[in-house]
Amino acid sequence: TQLLEQSPQFLSIQEGENLTVYCNSSSVFSSLQWYRQEPGEGPVLLVTVVTGGEVKKLKRLTFQFGDARKDSSLHITAAQTGDTGLYLCAGTEWTDKLIFGTGTRLQVFP
Amino acid sequence: DTAVSQTPKYLVTQMGNDKSIKCEQNLGHDTMYWYKQDSKKFLKIMFSYNNKELIINETVPNRFSPKSPDKAHLNLHINSLELGDSAVYFCASSQVDFGGFALHFGNGTRLTVT
Repeated sequence: TQLLEQSPQFLSIQEGENLTVYCNSSSVFSSLQWYRQEPGEGPVLLVTVVTGGEVKKLKRLTFQFGDARKDSSLHITAAQTGDTGLYLCAGTEWTDKLIFGTGTRLQVFP
Repeated sequence: DTAVSQTPKYLVTQMGNDKSIKCEQNLGHDTMYWYKQDSKKFLKIMFSYNNKELIINETVPNRFSPKSPDKAHLNLHINSLELGDSAVYFCASSQVDFGGFALHFGNGTRLTVT
């Protein structure tokens, strides 16, 4: 069974700080996605990365897919209170079955 | 306007009861899913349907029975509810295109079994 481990599990920082969330697996994925989930809502897709080594930027968020397609990272620059939420990575192995990571809960304080 | 809607939002019931959760999507997607999110926020796939046909069934107890009357609807019926069934259940839909696929989630149904 594929497992996607995220670290850290919890992150509590102040506005303006930078942070990185990691998503690691021993399995190779055809693509990897990042979602953000807010309380009482479903996860919302942030980005999909499909090529080993790929880097995608979404405003202050930078996503990277590892060269071997087994890991990914999410870097947030100058965090804002609106970034608070549960961040989930999710991978797929050339099917439409998405396996979710263990999640990182981010709290950004003003 | 809502893309994926599921009802009810909250469901509180006693052990042994039978309950259903309904899901509808207006995105025209071919594939729909049920996911279970536990108290540690871990999201696990339960079922996937493509055009009313069961594609994925992830070792879920047969007390859980999904039903897809058409490709816009995927309902989940649970028999003989147990304490361990307490969780948030998410419905989602997706469509494969050139960019891959993305899941569009409903806002979840929080099931509490007492």
